[in-house]
Amino acid sequence: QQQVKQSPQSLIVQKGGISIINCAYENTAFDYFPWYQQFPGKGPALLIAIRPDVSEKKEGRFTISFNKSAKQFSLHIMDSQPGDSATYFCAATDRGSTLGRLYFGRGTQLTVWP
Amino acid sequence: AAGVIQSPRHLIKEKRETATLKCYPIPRHDTVYWYQQGPGQDPQFLISFYEKMQSDKGSIPDRFSAQQFSDYHSELNMSSLELGDSALYFCASSVQGAPEQYFGPGTRLTVT
Repeated sequence: QQQVKQSPQSLIVQKGGISIINCAYENTAFDYFPWYQQFPGKGPALLIAIRPDVSEKKEGRFTISFNKSAKQFSLHIMDSQPGDSATYFCAATDRGSTLGRLYFGRGTQLTVWP
Repeated sequence: AAGVIQSPRHLIKEKRETATLKCYPIPRHDTVYWYQQGPGQDPQFLISFYEKMQSDKGSIPDRFSAQQFSDYHSELNMSSLELGDSALYFCASSVQGAPEQYFGPGTRLTVT
């Protein structure tokens, strides 16, 4: 059973556009929500993360929006660039009970056209 | 900045053989996690260690075992390899108490 549901599976965006990837979860014990960026043949790289006591976090062109009541969070990539083309994974963990095990969404393959 | 080191990067084994994957965490990181990623799949948690003790166990087959050593590096031992074990194996490290996990470049295991 997938603990974190991610959509869309693939996304094509024009250069300069906004990329939006959505994730939803059920386990209310989750208390840390990171996003990872993965290029083919490489390890996932931590991009940005948020805790549930904050509704939004911004780092450069990347923003996480978090809706605790809806149990949803999303990644926004502003001014998308061809170099952003990669697979993005949302994840969640409950630091208390599972000692940091990450539960990943199925990933979104982002393609940014020049 | 130093990153997680994994070796070997590529490994080809035959069915029923054994394999050992190694992971060297970021300096001063004391917690190690192992994940398996099949083609086009999301990473699946296998097992984790803190201070040489197993801290959590996921969907790791009984044919697999792992340990963490006094220098915090970890090894994943895989026996009686099956075709379905072909995947990318990632190690991630963190500092106990901090949620950020940093992944290594992975070991691509191919079982023929």
